[in-house]
Amino acid sequence: EVQLMESGGGLVQPGGSLRLSCAASGFTFISYGMSWVRQAPGKGLEWVSVISGSGGSTLYADSVKGRFTISRDKSKNTLYLQMNSLRAEDTAVYYCAKSTGTRRDDAFDIWGQGTMVTVSS
Amino acid sequence: DIQMTQSPSSLSASVGDRVTITCRASQGISNYLAWYQQKPGKVPKLLIYGASTLQSGVPSRFSGSGSGTDFTLTISNLQPEDVASYYCQKYNSAPLTFGGGTKVEIK
Repeated sequence: EVQLMESGGGLVQPGGSLRLSCAASGFTFISYGMSWVRQAPGKGLEWVSVISGSGGSTLYADSVKGRFTISRDKSKNTLYLQMNSLRAEDTAVYYCAKSTGTRRDDAFDIWGQGTMVTVSS
Repeated sequence: DIQMTQSPSSLSASVGDRVTITCRASQGISNYLAWYQQKPGKVPKLLIYGASTLQSGVPSRFSGSGSGTDFTLTISNLQPEDVASYYCQKYNSAPLTFGGGTKVEIK
């Protein structure tokens, strides 16, 4: 069964850092682009970042550029999101999502269950 | 960057009704358009990709159409289990922007 499982969320103070992880199973991890998508409480979906299957190509939403870093470890079948200089407006459920095909930029056919990040003093 | 605008932001319809949600891109995106359904408290689910291709396992009452800048999601026979928020997303190239969402309720 194809599965994604996020971890690493929690409560962090403004200006702090957090690293999210997304463990993938049931598919050939290096063949697919992966993204992070977030959803603030009561709000819509916001795409955050994407990484190619090889890890050689990444892109970020303007709202997180320069503060967040996406990466992946093919030996561990795990996707990461390093979040620095966190702000209150980063408070959201963070989902990892798998690209449908082998293009980096693609629709998302599999989503994790999400992990909550709360930025507050 | 290309903006994605959905309308309406919410709607209320009766069981059995035909419901249409529209999504407009500020520039042409060919058919690189996906639709997702998110039920309350649940994870988003892919319904349609390539503007009109139904994802495996999705009921046939869901359909999508459009190309370029204007797209529609149609639910042909609204069911109680279709109560959800629906989002469009462009994926021709990053940023992979979502529309603002449409909340569908039963009248």
